[in-house]
Amino acid sequence: GAGVSQSPSNKVTEKGKDVELRCDPISGHTALYWYRQSLGQGLEFLIYFQGNSAPDKSGLPSDRFSAERTGGSVSTLTIQRTQQEDSAVYLCASSKDRDQPQHFGDGTRLSIL
Amino acid sequence: DQQVKQNSPSLSVQEGRISILNCDYTNSMFDYFLWYKKYPAEGPTFLISISSIKDKNEDGRFTVFLNKSAKHLSLHIVPSQPGDSAVYFCAARIGGSQGNLIFGKGTKLSVKP
Repeated sequence: GAGVSQSPSNKVTEKGKDVELRCDPISGHTALYWYRQSLGQGLEFLIYFQGNSAPDKSGLPSDRFSAERTGGSVSTLTIQRTQQEDSAVYLCASSKDRDQPQHFGDGTRLSIL
Repeated sequence: DQQVKQNSPSLSVQEGRISILNCDYTNSMFDYFLWYKKYPAEGPTFLISISSIKDKNEDGRFTVFLNKSAKHLSLHIVPSQPGDSAVYFCAARIGGSQGNLIFGKGTKLSVKP
């Protein structure tokens, strides 16, 4: 498809386990963002990738969170030693550049038991 | 402290009438504002944007108004249709930043036939 693709769509895991979330941005989009939405809240910025530049990690809530973007395309968000407060919908977005609207995937709903 | 505020969690409008969704912000460094629409279990969909150098932008049934002195923007939908029923998020970007967006908590719009 032509849109942003995220997998898995749902993930249920036990507290303390590591999880990996994947994002395939729109082809040709150089900017990639990760956000999360907790219940009843707006979207919270996590991390931003632009081309080959060093990522902006200023939104990551703790050092348990990390992300990488290989080959300037696919990105993975990794959460180590998950906690119950990590339960949220994790959304990925991409844009042609910072001045263009961001287009979102449908998200990964993460539930920590 | 919330920089982007949507003070109405919900709004109900009759089909064919105007829907007005409001958003207030506190950071005078915001240079770009967007509205997104979100259906359940889907990612946000970009609707319309406005640069801080403008006070109005129109796209079909959707018009966004920006009042910089009041730090207020609004989205007008006219005429409203039942398919417009969704959660609407206001978002803003800080000028000179990497481009990540700051979101409000959303307003759930219900358009009744």
